[in-house]
Amino acid sequence: AQSVTQLDSQVPVFEEAPVELRCNYSSSVSVYLFWYVQYPNQGLQLLLKYLSGSTLVKGINGFEAEFNKSQTSFHLRKPSVHISDTAEYFCAVRNNNAGNMLTFGGGTRLMVKP
Amino acid sequence: DTGVSQDPRHKITKRGQNVTFRCDPISEHNRLYWYRQTLGQGPEFLTYFQNEAQLEKSRLLSDRFSAERPKGSFSTLEIQRTEQGDSAMYLCASIRVAYNEQFFGPGTRLTVL
Repeated sequence: AQSVTQLDSQVPVFEEAPVELRCNYSSSVSVYLFWYVQYPNQGLQLLLKYLSGSTLVKGINGFEAEFNKSQTSFHLRKPSVHISDTAEYFCAVRNNNAGNMLTFGGGTRLMVKP
Repeated sequence: DTGVSQDPRHKITKRGQNVTFRCDPISEHNRLYWYRQTLGQGPEFLTYFQNEAQLEKSRLLSDRFSAERPKGSFSTLEIQRTEQGDSAMYLCASIRVAYNEQFFGPGTRLTVL
């Protein structure tokens, strides 16, 4: 069975500072990895995904993530955050069975302060 | 707006009542998923359809829950005899098989009093 651990439930950061949101996964097979963002009372929006190839993945809104197979990690980074980045961020792994459903981590609340 | 719509957006009901939610996926998407998200947690898989066939159900989906996708288009999720523990956000997602991004709807927030 696959699982995802997001190590920080909340990350406070000042505007224009860099941020890293941590994600570790466990899986016995090759994985597809995703980061989603959820704004209050809304659904999930895809930020970026790793399927194969380059381990550094660039996404929307200036976010990027690095896949590290040896450390089973997929941390999300942004060099300079904005107030509008305040949201809940979810890391997910796609189950590579017939259903391809997503297994999510518990989420990290990013709080950007002025 | 991802193109996936859900109705209603909010539902408040009393314990013991039945509720039904609807999801309209992106039209060319042949696979549809339901997830449940409780407060402060990530979404958890409930069930999925490929076209009109329900192919897998999570152990989270008790006998009080039923889902349908007639004609392989919209889907409904019904909860019978609701309990306070059913209070959650119910999310629907759709995808075209062989593609890799699930598109999520805005969710239906259920509150059981």
